[in-house]
Amino acid sequence: ETGVTQTPRHLVMGMTNKKSLKCEQHLGHNAMYWYKQSAKKPLELMFVYNFKEQTENNSVPSRFSPECPNSSHLFLHLHTLQPEDSALYLCASSQDEGGGEKLFFGSGTQLSVL
Amino acid sequence: GQNIDQPTEMTATEGAIVQINCTYQTSGFNGLFWYQQHAGEAPTFLSYNVLDGLEEKGRFSSFLSRSKGYSYLLLKELQMKDSASYLCAVRDGDYKLSFGAGTTVTVRA
Repeated sequence: ETGVTQTPRHLVMGMTNKKSLKCEQHLGHNAMYWYKQSAKKPLELMFVYNFKEQTENNSVPSRFSPECPNSSHLFLHLHTLQPEDSALYLCASSQDEGGGEKLFFGSGTQLSVL
Repeated sequence: GQNIDQPTEMTATEGAIVQINCTYQTSGFNGLFWYQQHAGEAPTFLSYNVLDGLEEKGRFSSFLSRSKGYSYLLLKELQMKDSASYLCAVRDGDYKLSFGAGTTVTVRA
């Protein structure tokens, strides 16, 4: 248990569906992140929020829409995804952004787009 | 972009030692991390190096040489539970964190 909870653990969706991934951290951290993990590829940073403000959008397609209502919760809204978007989506948090701050990861949502 | 290289797979015997190398080429440097990820689970923090030298934590040690752009993670007295993927990650001069593709370690009895 890392203190970061993600739901759902698994998600299968069609290309026309709309779904949302949820992340919650109970660590009192100020920064939250979305990463994409594809098989045999490096973890790919998607979005960073610090004190609820988005500080990084790593050229992510608009079919992925993040939302951070407060420092403890982070959502990733999905719509009209493509099969190549199938991957493990990991949420992480850290005390602050940058420096020697280590990341605490959730267990991820395994997404399959049909 | 940043370039972080680590071997794809390694296999070792229970009780043995395994060394996972990581080389990096980044614009500036602000620290190197190692994470462990068991299949289907969250990556968890193992170590952080920002100065040259060896950091030891029980059975695991991590080494850094900034001039060579090189780090290794040393796993001693291997146990079956050490079978996992090990991720090297580097923070560059702009504090952006980039990950390697991970090294899958399989421990055999």
